[in-house]
Amino acid sequence: ELKVEQNPLFLSMQEGKNYTIYCNYSTTSDRLYWYRQDPGKSLESLFVLLSNGAVKQEGRLMASLDTKARLSTLHITAAVHDLSATYFCAVALASGTYKYIFGTGTRLKVLA
Amino acid sequence: ETGVTQSPTHLIKTRGQQVTLRCSSQSGHNTVSWYQQALGQGPQFIFQYYREEENGRGNFPPRFSGLQFPNYSSELNVNALELDDSALYLCASSLGQGETQYFGPGTRLLVL
Repeated sequence: ELKVEQNPLFLSMQEGKNYTIYCNYSTTSDRLYWYRQDPGKSLESLFVLLSNGAVKQEGRLMASLDTKARLSTLHITAAVHDLSATYFCAVALASGTYKYIFGTGTRLKVLA
Repeated sequence: ETGVTQSPTHLIKTRGQQVTLRCSSQSGHNTVSWYQQALGQGPQFIFQYYREEENGRGNFPPRFSGLQFPNYSSELNVNALELDDSALYLCASSLGQGETQYFGPGTRLLVL
């Protein structure tokens, strides 16, 4: 059974600092997604990573994918308070039909 | 361009009842997925519809069923409601299978 694990589960960091969220998954997949969820809100798509070595950046967030290690990272550069949210990674399993598995989520709090 | 919409926003039902949740896809999107998100958890994939056919299903019992209509809007039906069905139900539409998913605001279901 496919498992998607994120760490850390909780992250409290100071504004201006850098940090990385890790997403490990247990079986082969060629699509890795990152989402952001604010409290009481729906999910917002951040990145879709489609191939080994893929790197995407938007503002202070950068995501990368290593399919051989089955690992994706979400790097936060010079954090600001507005980045406080829960971040989920998700993996797609495609074998004729599709199935999506989400990670446990990382709750990020950026302190001023 | 209209985003993904869901109705109703909130719903209270009693155990054993049936419920229908509705989702209107973003314009041009032919794929819709449904997710269940319990409080403090990551979304759990229920199923995906592509061009009116179910083409992927998570670990949910048959009492969770769905439909996708020719205009690509969708319904999620849950029969014989159980207390554990209380959750936020999210639908997401995309241009195709595996593509970036755009989430609606969700329907919060409470089963008493």
